[in-house]
Amino acid sequence: SAVISQKPSRDICQRGTSLTIQCQVDSQVTMMFWYRQQPGQSLTLIATANQGSEATYESGFVIDKFPISRPNLTFSTLTVSNMSPEDSSIYLCSARRNAGELFFGEGSRLTVL
Amino acid sequence: GESVGLHLPTLSVQEGDNSIINCAYSNSASDYFIWYKQESGKGPQFIIDIRSNMDKRQGQRVTVLLNKTVKHLSLQIAATQPGDSAVYFCAEIRNSGGSNYKLTFGKGTLLTVNP
Repeated sequence: SAVISQKPSRDICQRGTSLTIQCQVDSQVTMMFWYRQQPGQSLTLIATANQGSEATYESGFVIDKFPISRPNLTFSTLTVSNMSPEDSSIYLCSARRNAGELFFGEGSRLTVL
Repeated sequence: GESVGLHLPTLSVQEGDNSIINCAYSNSASDYFIWYKQESGKGPQFIIDIRSNMDKRQGQRVTVLLNKTVKHLSLQIAATQPGDSAVYFCAEIRNSGGSNYKLTFGKGTLLTVNP
């Protein structure tokens, strides 16, 4: 499996601010995704990060709140905009190579005060 | 709507016992299923997968069983060890081709192994 690095691993943010999470894969992958995992809960897909084009968002998630970039085959960013305490969560980057398994980064734990 | 869920939210076993974690799914069109293990503070880690045209698949100390008749999936861990303590998620994959690949997670089961 490839290795996924996420930065920051954790952060404490003030209400109303925005934070960008970076995801770097150590090899080229075909697909990249962003998930959210709220405390004690399962993972929910936010969006598929498409290389060179706009991300595909799942129901309940919008580009204005969670803008995503994917400038190449190994890197993506997720921004959590205008944060509120309800955005406190773990945000996970994942990637898939061709027909291979989906593997995950260690996540970015956000706490919004 | 379509969903993937679990029968038991928590499971506590003694070291050395076998563990069985269950999962129910509702979408019969799913292509295959994956079990993930998530330790505290870490991302999910792939354990084993099974395609929808299979009933059983074995790995090292783990076995996944798929019963398509009742839409049920289980993960069996043999000789459970303290290092197996984690949350286990089943995930359902629908791949309708091209970029239409979607992984949906179940609720998760917390497995605690007592020494």
